[in-house]
Amino acid sequence: AQSVTQLDSQVPVFEEAPVELRCNYSSSVSVYLFWYVQYPNQGLQLLLKYLSGSTLVKGINGFEAEFNKSQTSFHLRKPSVHISDTAEYFCAVSEDSGAGSYQLTFGKGTKLSVIP
Amino acid sequence: GAVVSQHPSWVICKSGTSVKIECRSLDFQATTMFWYRQFPKQSLMLMATSNEGSKATYEQGVEKDKFLINHASLTLSTLTVTSAHPEDSSFYICSAQRGTGGFDTQYFGPGTRLTVL
Repeated sequence: AQSVTQLDSQVPVFEEAPVELRCNYSSSVSVYLFWYVQYPNQGLQLLLKYLSGSTLVKGINGFEAEFNKSQTSFHLRKPSVHISDTAEYFCAVSEDSGAGSYQLTFGKGTKLSVIP
Repeated sequence: GAVVSQHPSWVICKSGTSVKIECRSLDFQATTMFWYRQFPKQSLMLMATSNEGSKATYEQGVEKDKFLINHASLTLSTLTVTSAHPEDSSFYICSAQRGTGGFDTQYFGPGTRLTVL
């Protein structure tokens, strides 16, 4: 069974500072990894995903993440945050559950608060 | 592309009534759709996986008779909360997955907030 651990429930950071949101996963098979962002009262928007290939993945809004298989991590980073980045961020892992259906397992989320 | 809509976005109902939530993939065909439930300040919990033309697969602990899922076409899945009670109040989010035979990303709808009085 797969699981996702987001080590920080809340991360406050000053505007224009760098940020890293941590994510570790466990799985017995090859996985696909994702970061989603959720703004208040909205659904989830895909930031980036790792399926295969280069371990450094670039996404929207200036975010990037690095897949580290040996450490089973997929940390999300941004070199300079904006007020508009304030939101809840979810790390998720997916593996083939059969019949072409890929279920997602989510971490508990990290609330990023950007301070002016 | 890959837009998923949900309707309604917010619904308030009386205890004991049934509520239907629609999830539509607007610009692609979704062979598989997923229904999630999210409590305040918590993560998404998968409720069920729905494949077009077949019965939904429910996660452990989810009542099949209470949360009826119908995936009637490749662009529409519905979740009906039957005989809703206040404890069913939650944020319900659907997602749609394109294609089969290889991995594809889930695209999420904007969510439906259900409040049962």
